[in-house]
Amino acid sequence: DTGVSQNPRHKITKRGQNVTFRCDPISEHNRLYWYRQTLGQGPEFLTYFQNEAQLEKSRLLSDRFSAERPKGSFSTLEIQRTEQGDSAMYLCASSSMGVFSTNEKLFFGSGTQLSVL
Amino acid sequence: AQTVTQSQPEMSVQEAETVTLSCTYDTSENNYYLFWYKQPPSRQMILVIRQEAYKQQNATENRFSVNFQKAAKSFSLKISDSQLGDTAMYFCAFMKRNSGGGADGLTFGKGTHLIIQP
Repeated sequence: DTGVSQNPRHKITKRGQNVTFRCDPISEHNRLYWYRQTLGQGPEFLTYFQNEAQLEKSRLLSDRFSAERPKGSFSTLEIQRTEQGDSAMYLCASSSMGVFSTNEKLFFGSGTQLSVL
Repeated sequence: AQTVTQSQPEMSVQEAETVTLSCTYDTSENNYYLFWYKQPPSRQMILVIRQEAYKQQNATENRFSVNFQKAAKSFSLKISDSQLGDTAMYFCAFMKRNSGGGADGLTFGKGTHLIIQP
């Protein structure tokens, strides 16, 4: 168990370009979350997968954002036509939902820091 | 919807001192979890401690303990014998029990920047 892995760690892009981030959750974790964190703020929920199904999306997730989790394993988050306001740390987290949900814990990756110039 | 409030943007203490970080929350739920996460300069979010709302006993993890006051909706973190490595952002977070996931997964406060001075 190597923890939640995110790639790349840093991404610098020009406004208008597309970017894609990858998250590899802890193996056998069925839940996967994407959060966004701007400087001086706590993480804010973006979207959530239970296995391969994307069950919920935040209003923060505009049409330019799309996330996938094929086969319920790794996940990708793509941002099209990036804007300067997209600059943030994008955090991925995973958890394993127990039968009685008595041990629900989210484990976070190190994040991808996006800078849009 | 739940809200989590951390009223201390920054705190600074001397090494080996004890420090308490405050957190209050607002919810109509009765069954939930509360967490403290630590985020050092590496930006990795690390779980520090977890409290189940139905348990009256306060959670402890080595030098870290909480004071959970359910009626007051207060959940403070006490760090004893503080160390330089404790310097980090600390986030208080709320989760409904038997959460369906999604936006119910975790609601975070804005964080407290804790600085341990040598």
